[in-house]
Amino acid sequence: QKEVEQDPGPLSVPEGAIVSLNCTYSNSAFQYFMWYRQYSRKGPELLMYTYSSGNKEDGRFTAQVDKSSKYISLFIRDSQPSDSATYLCAMSEISGGYNKLIFGAGTRLAVHP
Amino acid sequence: KAGVTQTPRYLIKTRGQQVTLSCSPISGHRSVSWYQQTPGQGLQFLFEYFSETQRNKGNFPGRFSGRQFSNSRSEMNVSTLELGDSALYLCASSLVVGGQKYNEQFFGPGTRLTVL
Repeated sequence: QKEVEQDPGPLSVPEGAIVSLNCTYSNSAFQYFMWYRQYSRKGPELLMYTYSSGNKEDGRFTAQVDKSSKYISLFIRDSQPSDSATYLCAMSEISGGYNKLIFGAGTRLAVHP
Repeated sequence: KAGVTQTPRYLIKTRGQQVTLSCSPISGHRSVSWYQQTPGQGLQFLFEYFSETQRNKGNFPGRFSGRQFSNSRSEMNVSTLELGDSALYLCASSLVVGGQKYNEQFFGPGTRLTVL
């Protein structure tokens, strides 16, 4: 079993829809949770960063962390064709101040006009 | 502020050869991590450097090595290339202030390595 599970999709939605992307994890030591967006043939771009449980909002994006369920989500409101990309969840624990990111497989999202 | 830069962007090598990839972190970022991305395995952590020392290492064979220079620039080397080493190699940098590392990692565009 992988430490981080993420449905690879693809997920296809019409423009303007609310998109929900999710990851589950098994390592209860994870404390930092991130969402990255990766366009084809580009490096991942950091979208959201949260620590511990709770919600964080940034424009059309909302990240949720539920540590009791080991479940994180990213919501995209009013989705646009430019949101079409692969979305990767990533998480890390602390180990002497240095850590590595464990990534989900990524969900491919297509927003069609 | 310029982002993470990686050179070269594309490389084609043959089995048995070795390759060196270069990464320049965001100005002021002193921690550099390397990742391998493949369609089958996704993004996997290779190693992390800070203050010219390897701080963390993933589950990759010894053919994969790296180093960091005093200006925080980093290189990774893969010796005796295998077909399975074909991948996108990504470098990410993080800010370190007063010994405290920030967890956000910022990625470069990657080097796409093809092994024939």
